[in-house]
Amino acid sequence: GAGVSQTPSNKVTEKGKYVELRCDPISGHTALYWYRQSLGQGPEFLIYFQGTGAADDSGLPNDRFFAVRPEGSVSTLKIQRTERGDSAVYLCASSLAGNADTQYFGPGTRLTVL
Amino acid sequence: QQQVKQSPQSLIVQKGGISIINCAYENTAFDYFPWYQQFPGKGPALLIAIRPDVSEKKEGRFTISFNKSAKQFSLHIMDSQPGDSATYFCAASKPGNLNDYKLSFGAGTTVTVRA
Repeated sequence: GAGVSQTPSNKVTEKGKYVELRCDPISGHTALYWYRQSLGQGPEFLIYFQGTGAADDSGLPNDRFFAVRPEGSVSTLKIQRTERGDSAVYLCASSLAGNADTQYFGPGTRLTVL
Repeated sequence: QQQVKQSPQSLIVQKGGISIINCAYENTAFDYFPWYQQFPGKGPALLIAIRPDVSEKKEGRFTISFNKSAKQFSLHIMDSQPGDSATYFCAASKPGNLNDYKLSFGAGTTVTVRA
């Protein structure tokens, strides 16, 4: 079956611009996570959704970052006034409610802020 | 503050050899310890995972050894193959209030298997 998909695969933007990154989880997975992976590092947790609501957004670095999941499936990570330090790979993962520890990752979106 | 420390940063092993990657954690509330494999340009893929009620878990050529008292766990790749060349991440998590499992990752180990 289809895995987690993320679009775009690459995004290049200029400092100060607004970007949206999309995640399409595995069908039926109610839990969705966003992580950020900087070059040479492990992924770092950003936000967790259970259904439509953001259950835990403690990993968001500041208020320029926001994520939504209006219908409990597709999620969009939004970054306002991008900064060069936001450059990273943004990963999305999903899991089943009854098997919450097993997370399936998408290929990520590589964001480059010039 | 990194909650999981991983070493080495990189290693090179001959085909057929054993690769060993070590991780250490501080938070005793962690109860789930997965290992992920990541190829360039791809997302991490779950390789094998263990819970602290067992000291070892083996799946094919991959084995996790877990030492609860030392708060350490390691991945052993037996009979390493060129296709195993990838970056490996250890991680740890504990269930949140809403049955979530946000993962804390190590910094990764790049494994190169020489033919």
